[in-house]
Amino acid sequence: SSELTQDPPVSVALGQTVSITCQGDSLRRDYAAWYQQRAGQAPILVIYGKYNRPSGIPDRISGSSSGNTASLTITGAQAEDEADYYCASRDSSGKLVIFGGGTKVTVL
Amino acid sequence: EMQLVESGGAVVQPGGSLRLSCAASGFKFDDYAMHWVRQAPGKGLEWVSLISWDDTVYYADSVRGRFIISRDNRRNSLFLQMSSLRAEDTAFYYCAKDIRVGASTSGYAFDIWGQGTMVTVSS
Repeated sequence: SSELTQDPPVSVALGQTVSITCQGDSLRRDYAAWYQQRAGQAPILVIYGKYNRPSGIPDRISGSSSGNTASLTITGAQAEDEADYYCASRDSSGKLVIFGGGTKVTVL
Repeated sequence: EMQLVESGGAVVQPGGSLRLSCAASGFKFDDYAMHWVRQAPGKGLEWVSLISWDDTVYYADSVRGRFIISRDNRRNSLFLQMSSLRAEDTAFYYCAKDIRVGASTSGYAFDIWGQGTMVTVSS
């Protein structure tokens, strides 16, 4: 089995930049996927593969990684970026999906 | 427009059974792996199960032996048969579509999610 560890809640001023991280051994093998979940809504995929954004995701949201740590950066945060963010990968067997515990991002 | 619509959530007693359904539209259903993901009230996301395009299935340790995932490609539908339900199975259950076409390995990038259906296990 594997685990993904995410940051505690963070806050960012409107228009400023925030980065959150996700750590886990599986990230040495996999690029993390990132999901945004606004209050009361289903999750939305925002980053997948080698830092790809699905259609409709603004380019102020970006992904990166180094070693066992993946990062999600919001450059010029907007009110609509306020959400819980989850990273995902696979377990040590490569067959089962695992999620991080999530990081709440508050835009002030 | 690609869409997933879950149904079947209910209040059920511990030890009981329930079958969830997910109706897919707007994409070639049989080309994609499909997943169930759940979220307990106020908690994070927990992956439950996947069924690949060729019917390979995997389960989280927490549900293996109690839940069965299946699909009906003629009806563009995904199912989750849940049995021996426990209080800790109480959650919102989402179905989700893998972003990759015809993938032979487990994926974790889900580009389409349903709005979810609530399962409450309580006496």
